Amino acid sequence: DAKTTQPNSMESNEEEPVHLPCNHSTISGTDYIHWYRQLPSQGPEYVIHGLTSNVNNRMASLAIAEDRKSSTLILHRATLRDAAVYYCLHYDNTNAGKSTFGDGTTLTVKP
Amino acid sequence: DTEVTQTPKHLVMGMTNKKSLKCEQHMGHRAMYWYKQKAKKPPELMFVYSYEKLSINESVPSRFSPECPNSSLLNLHLHALQPEDSALYLCASSLGTSGRNEQFFGPGTRLTVL
Repeated sequence: DAKTTQPNSMESNEEEPVHLPCNHSTISGTDYIHWYRQLPSQGPEYVIHGLTSNVNNRMASLAIAEDRKSSTLILHRATLRDAAVYYCLHYDNTNAGKSTFGDGTTLTVKP
Repeated sequence: DTEVTQTPKHLVMGMTNKKSLKCEQHMGHRAMYWYKQKAKKPPELMFVYSYEKLSINESVPSRFSPECPNSSLLNLHLHALQPEDSALYLCASSLGTSGRNEQFFGPGTRLTVL
């Protein structure tokens, strides 16, 4: 199964930018890259996704490497509410609906 | 309405019981998913329905039986479960199964099998 690899944990200070990396070396040309986050006792929440170009939305930015084997989720100003487990996954576009979550990065935000 | 609802929130069942988990969305999504999540682990895909037809079954034991009665509802029927099946069961939906579409997750059902 296609799997992504992420650091187990990262720390950030409040109001500073955070860069969360993800490796997806087995990604194929049509697989989208998705990021979700999960707060304790909640279901995952969509953050952002992209295919080749960098993407921005109100929550975050997604920077995708030119070879697409890695990506970085950027939170521009971390807040205490951003403390969560962040999951990167790539979505197998040839096997409709199939995606495999990575092990996730636990982000701690310090005041 | 951009919400996926799941009932019940918590369920405790014995190994001989039969129970069902329910999931509902009213966003017009045509893809619905069941995931299983153990403590401190990522969600694992179990089933995918596309246009009310089962499109992916990730080799899930037959004691888990999914059902999609219409485009808004998804059930997971449970029978003769084992204690190791205790987990958070998450439902999700998306516009379609393409990777272009983000998934919306429900809050989950916390299942304990005694």
